[in-house]
Amino acid sequence: EAQVTQNPRYLITVTGKKLTVTCSQNMNHEYMSWYRQDPGLGLRQIYYSMNVEVTDKGDVPEGYKVSRKEKRNFPLILESPSPNQTSLYFCASGRVVGEQYFGPGTRLTVT
Amino acid sequence: QQPVQSPQAVILREGEDAVINCSSSKALYSVHWYRQKHGEAPVFLMILLKGGEQKGHEKISASFNEKKQQSSLYLTASQLSYSGTYFCGAMDSNYQLIWGAGTKLIIKP
Repeated sequence: EAQVTQNPRYLITVTGKKLTVTCSQNMNHEYMSWYRQDPGLGLRQIYYSMNVEVTDKGDVPEGYKVSRKEKRNFPLILESPSPNQTSLYFCASGRVVGEQYFGPGTRLTVT
Repeated sequence: QQPVQSPQAVILREGEDAVINCSSSKALYSVHWYRQKHGEAPVFLMILLKGGEQKGHEKISASFNEKKQQSSLYLTASQLSYSGTYFCGAMDSNYQLIWGAGTKLIIKP
């Protein structure tokens, strides 16, 4: 089954404790991206990747890191999470200009 | 820089039509439309490329006016299943995708 998987789905953590949210796709897509969604603000792109070893900053990259060592994986790293990073996070993959498939989302709470 | 969507919300009776607009202040490479239901991930509706193409998807169609950097989503004879929040995404020449704040659509029987 073609899908984008994210783990964990829910995470509660404390300020400053490094965390990684994994994202994996099995559709051989070049384009992958991370978004955060906050009420009233819609989706905001954090980072995107056009292919392996190619990543670019999106609209709100501060406080986040990504890597694209393999085509199928695109982990999101929060080195020192802060409460303002409490949000719903989506990973997505697709062709460069094409339909994007979204993962189920990760709800992160930073206390 | 975020595309401006209008209206912010709309309530319709089943069978009525709706138009959702998306306007960008920067040059666009493509416009993407998605629908998100409560508690779910966004789902793709359509993409429009430069050239003013009008695309269709069942009773949902869209247009893209490249000169005005505007796109409109048309929902004809709305069904209950059309309820949700609609987002437009504006992709620039660097392939960065910036999304509007969304339009909440409520369809009543």
